[in-house]
Amino acid sequence: AAGVIQSPRHLIKEKRETATLKCYPIPRHDTVYWYQQGPGQDPQFLISFYEKMQSDKGSIPDRFSAQQFSDYHSELNMSSLELGDSALYFCASSPSGGVPNTQYFGPGTRLTVL
Amino acid sequence: GENVEQHPSTLSVQEGDSAVIKCTYSDSASNYFPWYKQELGKRPQLIIDIRSNVGEKKDQRIAVTLNKTAKHFSLHITETQPEDSAVYFCAANYWGDSSYKLIFGSGTRLLVRP
Repeated sequence: AAGVIQSPRHLIKEKRETATLKCYPIPRHDTVYWYQQGPGQDPQFLISFYEKMQSDKGSIPDRFSAQQFSDYHSELNMSSLELGDSALYFCASSPSGGVPNTQYFGPGTRLTVL
Repeated sequence: GENVEQHPSTLSVQEGDSAVIKCTYSDSASNYFPWYKQELGKRPQLIIDIRSNVGEKKDQRIAVTLNKTAKHFSLHITETQPEDSAVYFCAANYWGDSSYKLIFGSGTRLLVRP
């Protein structure tokens, strides 16, 4: 079965640079969630999109922005990167944002900021 | 506020014994409670979930119980095996503007000793 695809899997950036993370949800899933997970920590909700509209916002810094495109893929744009942004970034997709449903996680993008 | 508390933070059991992980949530409107298993450096994977219209759900060696009055839910793993060793996260849904998000507990590191 198709799973959530994330790219790139690994990314190394310098401080103050920008990064773009991509997420391709499972086909026919209309909701995408972004999470940030630091070492030894639980996943922290950043932002979500339902039917290409932002549906909720969590602890996402103002330096980050995201959107969902017409084909339902999503991109997380990160600017002015800081050392503390180093983390695993997961994207998850779900078949419907209107009803609580299983969120399927992608393999994650490991971002390292030097 | 939006909060999920999870205990214990670490749990070591002998192979064949049972393991119990407990979580509490703060919002009585929460109605979906998934449990995820995460191995080091990998994505969280759903192992079982429960909705607020049932009090218990079982899938082979794994069961989850829910007490809505106490806002408390638990994961039970019986006949533990070394491959059950991982970090387990509970989560509860919290409703946002137009959708819901998952708030995760802080995780339980389970070690099953052979």
